[in-house]
Amino acid sequence: EPEVTQTPSHQVTQMGQEVILRCVPISNHLYFYWYRQILGQKVEFLVSFYNNEISEKSEIFDDQFSVERPDGSNFTLKIRSTKLEDSAMYFCASAQREGGNIQYFGAGTRLSVL
Amino acid sequence: QKEVEQNSGPLSVPEGAIASLNCTYSDRGSQSFFWYRQYSGKSPELIMSIYSNGDKEDGRFTAQLNKASQYVSLLIRDSQPSDSATYLCAVNRVQGGKLIFGQGTELSVKP
Repeated sequence: EPEVTQTPSHQVTQMGQEVILRCVPISNHLYFYWYRQILGQKVEFLVSFYNNEISEKSEIFDDQFSVERPDGSNFTLKIRSTKLEDSAMYFCASAQREGGNIQYFGAGTRLSVL
Repeated sequence: QKEVEQNSGPLSVPEGAIASLNCTYSDRGSQSFFWYRQYSGKSPELIMSIYSNGDKEDGRFTAQLNKASQYVSLLIRDSQPSDSATYLCAVNRVQGGKLIFGQGTELSVKP
């Protein structure tokens, strides 16, 4: 069964460092998303991406964040200068245009900022 | 007012019983409604989707939607210990749009 793949599963970084979280969405999907979940809190939307551009972003997604689809398969989230409060699980999701637009989630990357 | 509200629980039911999970949402323009299951430390896994008023059944799961009351529910029949997880209600407004999640309801099924 096709699945969304995320790497790495766990990333440890020092405050102020740049991190890149990687995702391979399901191959025939056209909509791509990043969400985050701080420990014990709800899943929060960060950004959506469609037709090679950002379609929507949340207040969390400030200038420190960027997304890219560098080739036909990868979808990346970059945090330029990490803060302690960026520590969270980051989930990538993808969806088809048809079929009720269901979003399928990857296993997530746990980001720990020290 | 929170956009999507759920009782945080924990909701404890005995094995074999029916578990009833509830969710309300504030945006009347919401079009699509989803229930995800999340085991501790894992990612959300889709259980049910529902788009129109009424009931939708899939195996032991039944989703119910009432747009007039802005209310979505999930019933789990014959609950099993493996159903113990946090159940997330999520809604979106437009095709391709962001999901807005509730806080989740923790379900514990006791053998």
